[in-house]
Parts: sequence; C-alpha cells; structure tokens
Amino acid sequence: GENVEQHPSTLSVQEGDSAVIKCTYSDSASNYFPWYKQELGKGPQLIIDIRSNVGEKKDQRIAVTLNKTAKHFSLHITETQPEDSAVYFCAAGGRGQNFVFGPGTRLSVLP
Amino acid sequence: DAGVIQSPRHEVTEMGQEVTLRCKPISGHNSLFWYRQTMMRGLELLIYFNNNVPIDDSGMPEDRFSAKMPNASFSTLKIQPSEPRDSAVYFCASSLSGAGTGELFFGEGSRLTVL
Repeated sequence: GENVEQHPSTLSVQEGDSAVIKCTYSDSASNYFPWYKQELGKGPQLIIDIRSNVGEKKDQRIAVTLNKTAKHFSLHITETQPEDSAVYFCAAGGRGQNFVFGPGTRLSVLP
Repeated sequence: DAGVIQSPRHEVTEMGQEVTLRCKPISGHNSLFWYRQTMMRGLELLIYFNNNVPIDDSGMPEDRFSAKMPNASFSTLKIQPSEPRDSAVYFCASSLSGAGTGELFFGEGSRLTVL
C-alpha cells in the first residue's frame, strides 16, 4: 500500500522568511496530493492541492510542487506570518484509494 | 453551512465502558470518514462510508470498534469495551467526492480519554 513520508517533523522560521516542507510517496498510482493545516484544537483544513497532471500550483503565499518521476512533492510558504504556525500534513490519494497522510510538520513562525 | 458537527468534544471514561461518538456530515456530501489521531500513529483512517454504505473498514482496529451510518445526516463510532490505548482524538470528515479524490471537510474532533 501507499506510504507517505514527511520532513522535517518540526520547523522554526523567523517571521517573513520562507518555509519548505517535503513529502515522498511510494505508490505510482497516487494522483492527487493535498496539503492540510491543523491549528490547535481544530480539525485539519485543506490549504492547497495538486493533481498529477500539474507540476506546480500557487495560491498567494502558498505553492506546491510535484515531481512524479521522483515521487515527491513540496509545500512552500513565503513571507511567513505568526498565523502560519500550525501542524501541516501532506497526503497522497487517487480514485478508489483513500488518502494516506504524512506524519505532520509542526511549523513555528517566530515574531 | 455549519460544517461537520461532532459530539461530544471531550469524553473521559473508565476502562470497560462503552463510548459512542457522533457525527453530522455536511448536507449533500455523500462520503463520510472516521479518522483517529494520536502522536504515535498520526492520522489513521478507521472507516469510509459512501452513500451510507461502509466501503472500507480495514482500518478498524478490532471488534471492539463499530461504526454505523443509518442515514445521510448521521454516523456513530462506538467502542465497547473501551481501553486506555483507545485514548485519542477521533475526527469525522465528509466529502462530495469518493475515496482519495477531493477535499475532506473535518469536524473539530472528539477527544477521548480512557482511564
């Protein structure tokens, strides 16, 4: 079955700097890769996603890149703000295949 | 829309007791998922319903766990008897899409502590 790894497990950045979180997956049949943000005491919330026919997607300060050949995808957050502090999860899925989530990255943005 | 609604938000019980967690998905969503979150194991899928029918229950840990979806607007996850290792946050999520193809909308979770 699918296996998703995520690095780093914790990340601290200064406000205004960029943050990058990387994930790898094992199943070449996976074709949909969402990223979720979980704030303390809340459920995860989708922030951006990418499908396997696209190499990069951007939404304001957030971008995701996908390398299908290498089976890895990354989340990029630019100009980080304190409200970006949260746990971020990557996931891999596909038609008929439930999501497998990575273990999460705790991002701290220091003022 | 109020989003996915879970109850209770917090439950503290003693080992051996029955626990029932409840979920109301977003109206119109045809897929419902129960996840368990722990520090050690992260987010694990327990069971997936599509159109009220259980499709994948391979993540249900053992026979002590059961889930039902009697109609499109209600689901329960029951643990009987509960054990300390069941302590976790249980999330319900719903989606317009089938497995692994679209956005999951999560509830705020039910934090279970079994003493």
